[in-house]
Amino acid sequence: EDQVTQSPEALRLQEGESSSLNCSYTVSGLRGLFWYRQDPGKGPEFLFTLYSAGEEKEKERLKATLTKKESFLHITAPKPEDSATYLCAVGEAGTALIFGKGTTLSVSS
Amino acid sequence: KAGVTQTPRYLIKTRGQQVTLSCSPISGHRSVSWYQQTPGQGLQFLFEYFSETQRNKGNFPGRFSGRQFSNSRSEMNVSTLELGDSALYLCASSLSGRSVSGNTIYFGEGSWLTVV
Repeated sequence: EDQVTQSPEALRLQEGESSSLNCSYTVSGLRGLFWYRQDPGKGPEFLFTLYSAGEEKEKERLKATLTKKESFLHITAPKPEDSATYLCAVGEAGTALIFGKGTTLSVSS
Repeated sequence: KAGVTQTPRYLIKTRGQQVTLSCSPISGHRSVSWYQQTPGQGLQFLFEYFSETQRNKGNFPGRFSGRQFSNSRSEMNVSTLELGDSALYLCASSLSGRSVSGNTIYFGEGSWLTVV
């Protein structure tokens, strides 16, 4: 069974239309939750690390939040350049990062 | 500060051949991990090295191997290539010696391998 599930798989937004991406996880002993952005043909680019429930981090139009069972990546007033695949990963004690399948975001002008 | 550098970026190999991919981590980073990315399976962990020692290994066959050198640079090797090995191979580095699961890892641009 998947330990990290991202939803939706794909999301289409109009420029300026805010929305949220979800990452739910079932690992125990969370050592960190990570968000990455990946553009086609490139490696994932680090965005945020969250370590404990209630923690929030922001960067430009992106805001990541964390609860005990899930994380949200909120995108406020997105622009076409925000189009990418957003990956979520969790760190569990003694193991490597476990990645979700990603959410592919398309923002049209 | 230079990021993670992977070479080659693109390569085409024939079934049965072997391939070696190279990774130079961010300066000062001592941990290197490798991932395979395919459209169907997403990112899957291959192995992690720290101070030339393999600390963690994913669920891949023994055809996949790796090593790390004293300067933290790493290589991975895939022998007896199969069509299903076609993928983007990503290297990532992290700063400290703690388990990968607790550290932020930074990725390179990847090596695109096509097996024909």
